[in-house]
Amino acid sequence: EAQVTQNPRYLITVTGKKLTVTCSQNMNHEYMSWYRQDPGLGLRQIYYSMNVEVTDKGDVPEGYKVSRKEKRNFPLILESPSPNQTSLYFCASSLYEGNGYTFGSGTRLTVV
Amino acid sequence: AQSVTQPDIHITVSEGASLELRCNYSYGATPYLFWYVQSPGQGLQLLLKYFSGDTLVQGIKGFEAEFKRSQSSFNLRKPSVHWSDAAEYFCAVVGSGGYQKVTFGTGTKLQVIP
Repeated sequence: EAQVTQNPRYLITVTGKKLTVTCSQNMNHEYMSWYRQDPGLGLRQIYYSMNVEVTDKGDVPEGYKVSRKEKRNFPLILESPSPNQTSLYFCASSLYEGNGYTFGSGTRLTVV
Repeated sequence: AQSVTQPDIHITVSEGASLELRCNYSYGATPYLFWYVQSPGQGLQLLLKYFSGDTLVQGIKGFEAEFKRSQSSFNLRKPSVHWSDAAEYFCAVVGSGGYQKVTFGTGTKLQVIP
């Protein structure tokens, strides 16, 4: 089944403890992206990647890192999480820029 | 800079009634435009997309949207709403020309009453 898989689905962590949210797609898509969703703010793009080793900042990149070493994987790294990074995170992938994204099921992160 | 406005935060319609969700965008050229739907606890699902050609586009689940360049709008419509359409709907814009910056609207939550 064509899909974007994120792990974990739920995560509670403490301030400052490094964490990684994994994202993998099995559709051979070129483009991948990370979003955070907060009530009243919609989805905001954190980072995106147009291909292996090609990444760029979205609207809210502060406090996040990404890497794209393989086409299928696009992990999101929080080096020192803070409570304001408590949010619902989505990974998504797309075959080309105008094709629309396929979204993962989301990761609900709570930083205490 | 591109932007998307969904002026209606919450809409309530009766089952069987028609629906129109509004979306206005700002972008210098012709963008890619999308509508997504998010059911509670789920990720987003693409309903339809537009870039060029016929300004009325058909999507899944009986939805359609009309691109109006003069009004910078891309409104989503459905002639007869079903209870299963209750969800949150997001309009999004992507700048064309090899640029993957995606801007979403803040969403419209649809409630369907019997």
